[in-house]
Amino acid sequence: QKEVEQDPGPLSVPEGAIVSLNCTYSNSAFQYFMWYRQYSRKGPELLMYTYSSGNKEDGRFTAQVDKSSKYISLFIRDSQPSDSATYLCAMRETQGAQKLVFGQGTRLTINP
Amino acid sequence: DAGVIQSPRHEVTEMGQEVTLRCKPISGHNSLFWYRQTMMRGLELLIYFNNNVPIDDSGMPEDRFSAKMPNASFSTLKIQPSEPRDSAVYFCASSLYFGSYEQYFGPGTRLTVT
Repeated sequence: QKEVEQDPGPLSVPEGAIVSLNCTYSNSAFQYFMWYRQYSRKGPELLMYTYSSGNKEDGRFTAQVDKSSKYISLFIRDSQPSDSATYLCAMRETQGAQKLVFGQGTRLTINP
Repeated sequence: DAGVIQSPRHEVTEMGQEVTLRCKPISGHNSLFWYRQTMMRGLELLIYFNNNVPIDDSGMPEDRFSAKMPNASFSTLKIQPSEPRDSAVYFCASSLYFGSYEQYFGPGTRLTVT
């Protein structure tokens, strides 16, 4: 079993829809959770960063962490065609830990 | 800043040949990471350096893989000899300091071994 599981999709939704992307993990030591966005033929870029359980909002994006269920989510409101990309969750154990463990990524397409 | 620079962007080589991938991290960043991305396995950390010193190479798949960082502005990942299963996109990333949560990725090198 992989440490981090993420449905690779693909996921296709109409413009304006609310998108929900999810990851589950098995390592209860993970405390820091990130979402990276990767456009086609590009490197990943950090989108959201959260610590422990709870919600964090940034514009149209909301990251949610439920440590009791070992489950994290990224919600995109009012989705735009420019949001079409692969979204990777990532996590690490401690603040000083360098090693990020990534999910496989979910390919998302927003249709105009 | 130009961001993380990787070269070449594409590499096609025959099985058994030596391959060298190059990376220039963002100026002032102290940590550097090499990743490999495939459809099957996703994004995997191969090795990372802090202040030019290799810290953890447990992700390097085999002895055929080696990485160096001779100075703060340059790193190489070498595969010798290359095999078709090494075909992947190889990313270099850097972060400002050890423990920083944000890693800045380069555009990647797409390697095809025939």
